[in-house]
Amino acid sequence: KAGVTQTPRYLIKTRGQQVTLSCSPISGHRSVSWYQQTPGQGLQFLFEYFSETQRNKGNFPGRFSGRQFSNSRSEMNVSTLELGDSALYLCASSLDRARQFFGPGTRLTVL
Amino acid sequence: GESVGLHLPTLSVQEGDNSIINCAYSNSASDYFIWYKQESGKGPQFIIDIRSNMDKRQGQRVTVLLNKTVKHLSLQIAATQPGDSAVYFCAENSNTGNQFYFGTGTSLTVIP
Repeated sequence: KAGVTQTPRYLIKTRGQQVTLSCSPISGHRSVSWYQQTPGQGLQFLFEYFSETQRNKGNFPGRFSGRQFSNSRSEMNVSTLELGDSALYLCASSLDRARQFFGPGTRLTVL
Repeated sequence: GESVGLHLPTLSVQEGDNSIINCAYSNSASDYFIWYKQESGKGPQFIIDIRSNMDKRQGQRVTVLLNKTVKHLSLQIAATQPGDSAVYFCAENSNTGNQFYFGTGTSLTVIP
């Protein structure tokens, strides 16, 4: 099976802009989770989608949002970018309550 | 809130020695745990998992031990190799959907 894919791999934006990241899960996986990874904070949970519904949400402001499509592909959006949003954004897919498989991540740099 | 922590942020071992990476968790309701390995520039890679109905699980060169009494998890790597150099994370799930809480990570360096 193909692994989790994320696009784009690298992104540079300026403050105030918005960005959309995409994640394609492993075929058959209906759960997609998003994480933000920074050097000082480690992996922080953003949200999880299962069958097109947001099932869990972490402690991030409303500028961070996501959605999942009927084919389980997921997107996350960050509006009004801030410098502190610079991070590696990781997507993970899984069967329900099972091991999560991570994609390579999208490296976002906000200038 | 949830808390998953690691005892040591860095660990250096000689090639061929065994490595032990520790993890403490605070939620006694957590019943599923995963260890991940992350190499520079890559996403975390699944190593091994364990559910709370087990105390020990073995994989290829790796063993995970779970002590529910003291809420402690460890990853043992046998005959550590240079390719094992990476950051290792533990993650816990407490039956609240698929939300996993990750520890801060331990950086393992293997000295040739």
